[in-house]
Amino acid sequence: GENVEQHPSTLSVQEGDSAVIKCTYSDSASNYFPWYKQELGKGPQLIIDIRSNVGEKKDQRIAVTLNKTAKHFSLHITETQPEDSAVYFCAASSEGGSEKLVFGKGTKLTVNP
Amino acid sequence: GAGVSQTPSNKVTEKGKYVELRCDPISGHTALYWYRQSLGQGPEFLIYFQGTGAADDSGLPNDRFFAVRPEGSVSTLKIQRTERGDSAVYLCASSPGQETKQFFGPGTRLTVL
Repeated sequence: GENVEQHPSTLSVQEGDSAVIKCTYSDSASNYFPWYKQELGKGPQLIIDIRSNVGEKKDQRIAVTLNKTAKHFSLHITETQPEDSAVYFCAASSEGGSEKLVFGKGTKLTVNP
Repeated sequence: GAGVSQTPSNKVTEKGKYVELRCDPISGHTALYWYRQSLGQGPEFLIYFQGTGAADDSGLPNDRFFAVRPEGSVSTLKIQRTERGDSAVYLCASSPGQETKQFFGPGTRLTVL
């Protein structure tokens, strides 16, 4: 089955800097890659997603890139703010089947004012 | 519109007891998912419903776990003879249908003493 690896496990940046989180997946059939932000005591919140027919997607300060050949995808956050501090999860799914998401172990991002 | 809601938010029970966890999906969403999240880990898939039927229950850890969605809306996750290892946050997500985004509820924190 699918296996998703996520790095780093913790990331600390200064406010205004950029943050990059990387994930790799094992199943070449995976074709949908969402990113979730989870704050303490809350459920995961979808922040951006990408499908395998697209190489990059942007939404304001957040972007995701996908390299299907290498089977890795990354989340880029620019101009980080303290409210970006949270745990971020990447996930992969093979749409057209059960649609279940396989998650990475998460990255705890801390943005220092 | 309201998001996914889950009740109770917290449940404390004793080893060997039976528990039921409820999920109310976003109105009109046909797909519903249950995940389990242990401390410091990403969510792990349990079961997926498309309408009333369980389309994929491959993530249920054993036959003590069962879920239903009798009218294609609200779902209940049932755990028999609870064990301390069942302690986790149980997350529910819904989506409008296949090949679409999953939206998570706040979760139910289950503690088995």
